[in-house]
Amino acid sequence: GQQLNQSPQSMFIQEGEDVSMNCTSSSIFNTWLWYKQDPGEGPVLLIALYKAGELTSNGRLTAQFGITRKDSFLNISASIPSDVGIYFCAGPSGTYKYIFGTGTRLKVLA
Amino acid sequence: DAGVIQSPRHEVTEMGQEVTLRCKPISGHDYLFWYRQTMMRGLELLIYFNNNVPIDDSGMPEDRFSAKMPNASFSNLKIQPSEPRDSAVYFCASSLWGTGRNSPLHFGNGTRLTVT
Repeated sequence: GQQLNQSPQSMFIQEGEDVSMNCTSSSIFNTWLWYKQDPGEGPVLLIALYKAGELTSNGRLTAQFGITRKDSFLNISASIPSDVGIYFCAGPSGTYKYIFGTGTRLKVLA
Repeated sequence: DAGVIQSPRHEVTEMGQEVTLRCKPISGHDYLFWYRQTMMRGLELLIYFNNNVPIDDSGMPEDRFSAKMPNASFSNLKIQPSEPRDSAVYFCASSLWGTGRNSPLHFGNGTRLTVT
């Protein structure tokens, strides 16, 4: 079945550094979603992508829909302590439901 | 928009007891999903509904788990009898029309279930 692989699994970075993470699929997607989950909370939608090659920003976050349609990338510029959390990618599994990656756990050192 | 609302936020119960988790989706959303999150297995889809009708319950782990959606603004997930391995965070999520354009999933804040 479909699988989403996220990397890295976890990362420690210094405050102010830029962060990059990616997600790859075993099949072609027409939608990529990126979520952030804070401790004790539900995942919150950060960015939605609907077209191959699309580049979309949300504040310091930028996500790209890979041209192969099998991957997506999320970048965070000038990280701050509140960026800590787990970042998930998600893509459609059929017409009605989404599958999620295993997550990238981000820790920011002040 | 109040978002997806789940209750309770935390539930601690003893093995063998019945547990009921509740969810109010975003108004106007036709799809409702129940997920379970654990460290070992990540986010797992348990069941989802379209217009209050269960569409796919293949993710429900056992017959001890059941879910209903009696109307467009309410769903519940029941575990009877509960077991320690059911301990997890259970999320409810809703979307406008499945996985179409401009129809991302919106999650509630979850119910953390602990079965002792």
